[in-house]
Amino acid sequence: QVQLQESGPGLVKPSETLSLTCSVSGGSMSNYYWSWVRQAPGKGLEWIGHISYSGSVNYNPSLGGRVTLSVDTSRNQFSLRLRSVTAADTAVYYCVRDIEVVPEPSGSSYQYYGLDVWGQGTTVTVSS
Amino acid sequence: DIVMSQSPLSLPVIPGEPASISCRSSQSLLHSNGFNYLDWYLQKPGQSPQLLIYLGSTRASGVPDRFSGSGSGTDFTLKISRVEAEDVGVYYCMQTVQIPRTFGQGTKVEIK
Repeated sequence: QVQLQESGPGLVKPSETLSLTCSVSGGSMSNYYWSWVRQAPGKGLEWIGHISYSGSVNYNPSLGGRVTLSVDTSRNQFSLRLRSVTAADTAVYYCVRDIEVVPEPSGSSYQYYGLDVWGQGTTVTVSS
Repeated sequence: DIVMSQSPLSLPVIPGEPASISCRSSQSLLHSNGFNYLDWYLQKPGQSPQLLIYLGSTRASGVPDRFSGSGSGTDFTLKISRVEAEDVGVYYCMQTVQIPRTFGQGTKVEIK
């Protein structure tokens, strides 16, 4: 079955860029959207954005345009970059499997089965 | 953004007894395709969230049938028919009808 694993630095300095990668194993990235969700210490869940296997993206405007998602299907990985970080970006970051894209003769349809596969999460602390 | 509001925020439960969590949205989650784009997730202590219910009422694979989701439009409910000790954690609803996806504040379920 599909498994996700986040990786990246656990400590980032204020004003710098947070970069995380999610590795997908046990299945192909193709035909899915892939999300990032974060959770600040003691807080609830916040959706950051998602990217399709072909590179289509949607972002949460609350992050003020600081986010860039990218995908590398040849390596079965997708990535998150968050610029100009502050202490408020300290959180556990999760990568998650999202919408399934089903190719059809006349185009694609989108099948939603929930955010059904989650990584274990990686803790990122923003501090000097 | 669609605002999701859960109640209660804390829910002491007795094993074997039923439990219920409410989730309300600031806009309708009913899509033109007839589905309500509302999910329920459980985050057990020290773990990643796990999917329980999607599209308002469909149980995810492997989820026990004591969990059920209902509701339409702006009012939704997650019910646990008979709570078990392993059900403790924080429950979140999330809407996926509109970008950005938004979560409720979470409901902490603990054994009384």
